[in-house]
Amino acid sequence: DAKTTQPNSMESNEEEPVHLPCNHSTISGTDYIHWYRQLPSQGPEYVIHGLTSNVNNRMASLAIAEDRKSSTLILHRATLRDAAVYYCILRDPPLSGAGSYQLTFGKGTKLSVIP
Amino acid sequence: EPEVTQTPSHQVTQMGQEVILRCVPISNHLYFYWYRQILGQKVEFLVSFYNNEISEKSEIFDDQFSVERPDGSNFTLKIRSTKLEDSAMYFCASSVFFGTGNTEAFFGQGTRLTVV
Repeated sequence: DAKTTQPNSMESNEEEPVHLPCNHSTISGTDYIHWYRQLPSQGPEYVIHGLTSNVNNRMASLAIAEDRKSSTLILHRATLRDAAVYYCILRDPPLSGAGSYQLTFGKGTKLSVIP
Repeated sequence: EPEVTQTPSHQVTQMGQEVILRCVPISNHLYFYWYRQILGQKVEFLVSFYNNEISEKSEIFDDQFSVERPDGSNFTLKIRSTKLEDSAMYFCASSVFFGTGNTEAFFGQGTRLTVV
């Protein structure tokens, strides 16, 4: 799987927007950009994913650079419940040829939310 | 909201003993997975399962590990002879379909396995 680079940690004040960056300069044309998060002592939780266009859902927004070499997860109003490790993962699906079913988790970005 | 459920939440076992971790995936999902996370480390893929057979496995998933879907609802991970280094959180996950990049996986809350 293509590699992603994320900051080890970030801080945000409660009720402010948070922009979590991810660099993936070796992304291939068939890679989807996925974001998951892991709250303390819980399993990973799906947040959002996209291929080329920006995406919005009830949890967050995903902004994808035009060259797809970077992306940003946007939490519009951070709450204490958003304190978690956020993982940016590239998925090369098996139907594209050499892809895989697995999600390859890195170290992610640990987001702290300050009340 | 449908969820993946795992039992037990915590399992303590003696080294060398067999252990079975159980999962109930979301009912209309077709793909099932096991991941593990050793304390303080990354989440690691173990195995994926579809149509009653393993579709992919990692180097971690050696002969000591096996998976089974014994009925229409359960998905189990068996470790035949546990070692101290098997102590970890084990997460089950499921997805409707994972052949394209355009689907997501849903994870359970995990089983903490402690081998003593």
